[in-house]
Amino acid sequence: AQSVSQHNHHVILSEAASLELGCNYSYGGTVNLFWYVQYPGQHLQLLLKYFSGDPLVKGIKGFEAEFIKSKFSFNLRKPSVQWSDTAEYFCAVNAYYKLSFGAGTTVTVRA
Amino acid sequence: EAGVAQSPRYKIIEKRQSVAFWCNPISGHATLYWYQQILGQGPKLLIQFQNNGVVDDSQLPKDRFSAERLKGVDSTLKIQPAKLEDSAVYLCASSSEGPSTDTQYFGPGTRLTVL
Repeated sequence: AQSVSQHNHHVILSEAASLELGCNYSYGGTVNLFWYVQYPGQHLQLLLKYFSGDPLVKGIKGFEAEFIKSKFSFNLRKPSVQWSDTAEYFCAVNAYYKLSFGAGTTVTVRA
Repeated sequence: EAGVAQSPRYKIIEKRQSVAFWCNPISGHATLYWYQQILGQGPKLLIQFQNNGVVDDSQLPKDRFSAERLKGVDSTLKIQPAKLEDSAVYLCASSSEGPSTDTQYFGPGTRLTVL
């Protein structure tokens, strides 16, 4: 079955630590890839997206993600997190004109 | 630019009752989506409209769920009758074009609790 998998359910780290969240998908063919973020008490918002071109994409707030086609992966990274990065992060894949989400990773940044 | 509006924000009902949710997309956005997000899971697409036509409702439980977007602008999602497993956050999103290459903008959601 086609799916989007996020490797970690909950990540806890200290400020200034580096963050990497894994995302793998099982769709074949052309896909468009997204990372969405939901801060506490706020609605889902786009962090970054990949449609084509440079597989390393940069988003808001210092986040970046790398698309590795051979590994069906789209991992999210941030070199140095802040307390304000505490949120839930969702990987999403658009395939066959439908957006499918992973289960999400809760990131808690300790001050 | 105003975002996607949804109401109510919270709803508590008993099983077998009916409930309706309302969504007003971003002005000018042709495509509207309804998602169901159960606790601990990512959003799951229920139905997608392009203007006032249904593009995809393959994951909508049609025996109890219905949705409409009569004038191609705002939309309502109805559950009748509700079951315990319908407890979830119902998200509305919109995009200016279709889902393939366009960013979807999400509303705040309606949290439904079925007792």
